[in-house]
This record gives sequence, structure tokens and C-alpha cells, in this order.
Amino acid sequence: AQTVTQSQPEMSVQEAETVTLSCTYDTSESDYYLFWYKQPPSRQMILVIRQEAYKQQNATENRFSVNFQKAAKSFSLKISDSQLGDAAMYFCAYIGQTRSKLTFGTGTRLQVTL
Amino acid sequence: DGGITQSPKYLFRKEGQNVTLSCEQNLNHDAMYWYRQDPGQGLRLIYYSQIVNDFQKGDIAEGYSVSREKKESFPLTVTSAQKNPTAFYLCASSRNSPYGYTFGSGTRLTVV
Repeated sequence: AQTVTQSQPEMSVQEAETVTLSCTYDTSESDYYLFWYKQPPSRQMILVIRQEAYKQQNATENRFSVNFQKAAKSFSLKISDSQLGDAAMYFCAYIGQTRSKLTFGTGTRLQVTL
Repeated sequence: DGGITQSPKYLFRKEGQNVTLSCEQNLNHDAMYWYRQDPGQGLRLIYYSQIVNDFQKGDIAEGYSVSREKKESFPLTVTSAQKNPTAFYLCASSRNSPYGYTFGSGTRLTVV
């Protein structure tokens, strides 16, 4: 079974600084997708960024980018120029070849300080 | 606007009672999912349905039941057999493609 591990329960970053959230996963599949979701205090889940495993190029969405290391099964999220609105829980997630279900990590709570 | 509606937002249940959480989507998505969220455990899959009149157990299906009679609706019943039902429940839908899910705003269930 696929597993997703987020080893940082909490992280803190100063406003305007850069922070990296870690995620590792375990799978025997070659075709899969990885995601980062943000859950602010409202508890609404928001898709931040998506990476296709067959693409070598790292995905980027404005201030959010990933470092996808397929061989190491690592998928970290970098947030640049952090803003107060970035404070939230961040979940790493995996979906495999069958596309049947999304598997989540346990989350990282990000605090943004002035 | 298209989206997913979960109701109610807060729900209180007495021990021994069944309760049903509503999830409706108007996105024309084929697949729908129920997740349970507990502190420190992320989101765990309860049940999912990829087509009408068909559904599969997720990782923690015991004590829960679902139905999928319409494409738009995927209600979750928390039965009295669920030993620890107090949690936050999230419903999601997708196009059966790897574009990620759309989530509802959740239901907070508390057993009193």
C-alpha cells in the first residue's frame, strides 16, 4: 500500500522569508501524481500544487514550488516570500495508477510570524 | 457556481444513535469520497464511489455506511457501531482523473 509521510508536525517562518515543507512517499508504481493541499483555519481544503511523476520539471505556482526527487521518493514544497495568509495546515497527498483514491500525509502546521 | 455542499456544518449525536451527513455536488463529477480528519492523523478515507450505484470501502469503513443513488449525492451514515465518531468529516469529488479533488467545507460531528 502506498504511504505518505510528513515528518514535520509544525513549522514556523517569518513573513517574507522562505520555508520548505518535507514529504516522502512509498510506492511501487511508476505512474502517479503528487499534490500539496492547504487547509486554513476555515478548514476548507485548497489545492496548492500538483506534480505528475512522469515529468522531470518541478511544478511551480506563483510563490509555491516543489522539489520532486523521484528516485528518493521525496516531494517537498517551497513557499517563497511567505505571507500571513499562508498560515495553515499543509497536506501532501498521492494518487496512483488506478486513480481510485487520494492518500494523505498527517500534515504540517505552518505558522507565519511578523 | 459549481461546488460541493456539506450539511450540516455542526452536528451533535447522542450515543447509540445513527446520524446521516449530507454531501451534494453540482460539478458533474463521477467520483465522490468521504474522509475523516482527526488531529495528528491527517485525512483517512472512509468510503468512495466512482459511479452511481457502486461504492467501495476505504481504510476505516467500519461503523459507517453510504449510498450512491444519484450522481450528485453521496450521503454518509455514522452508525452506533462506530466506536469513536467524534471527528471532522470531509466530502470530496473528482472527475476520475488525476487533477485532484474538490472538497466540501466539512461537518463537525460531536457525540454527547
